[in-house]
Amino acid sequence: EIVLTQSPGTLSLSPGERATLSCRASQIFNSNWLTWYQQKPGQAPRLLIYGASSRATGVPDRFSGSASGTDFTLTISRLEPEDFAVYYCQQYGVSLTFGGGTKVEIK
Amino acid sequence: QVQLVQSGAEVKKPGASVKVSCKTSGYTFTGQYIHWVRQAPGQGLEWMGWINPNSGATHSARKFQGRVTLTRDTSISTAYMELSGLRSDDTAIYYCARDSPIIAIKGFDFWGQGTLVTVSS
Repeated sequence: EIVLTQSPGTLSLSPGERATLSCRASQIFNSNWLTWYQQKPGQAPRLLIYGASSRATGVPDRFSGSASGTDFTLTISRLEPEDFAVYYCQQYGVSLTFGGGTKVEIK
Repeated sequence: QVQLVQSGAEVKKPGASVKVSCKTSGYTFTGQYIHWVRQAPGQGLEWMGWINPNSGATHSARKFQGRVTLTRDTSISTAYMELSGLRSDDTAIYYCARDSPIIAIKGFDFWGQGTLVTVSS
């Protein structure tokens, strides 16, 4: 099973700042299988980034993703108030797994 | 429009079983896999398994094998997740989610609203 480790657990930032979220895999896999979700309190997750770096329909371009080996990064260039949420990475292998999540909170 | 509507909250005793439904609409039910994901209070997302609504084939995470049963009724475009041998740590929100029909997207594009299952004596 591929284990995804997200860091940091919590990121305290102010609106307008840049957020950098990390997702590290326990073994290498096809980066096309890496997806990022955003979840707000009381809501189901929302698909943000697929294939490690492609934005889903309707996702603002301040969100971007990248990959390097077993390391995946979600970057929010300038935080808007609606971006404060929890973010999860997911790998879509035979046995799918999620990372533990990173909470982006208002400082 | 695509919708996944789940059944209501459940309270169960330890050792019992729970069956959650996920009624879909707005697309061809047999065209996309349905996945089940749970989230314990204040915790992260945990994938449980998938069902192919067309064939009925299923695959579940090792942790749930032997305890989870995924089924579907194509006549009413509904998927079901039954979890047996409930324990207190099964208390969670259970979500169904649809596989994206876009080949390049390995992920879930539509989700149900979630069903809270509480296990308590």
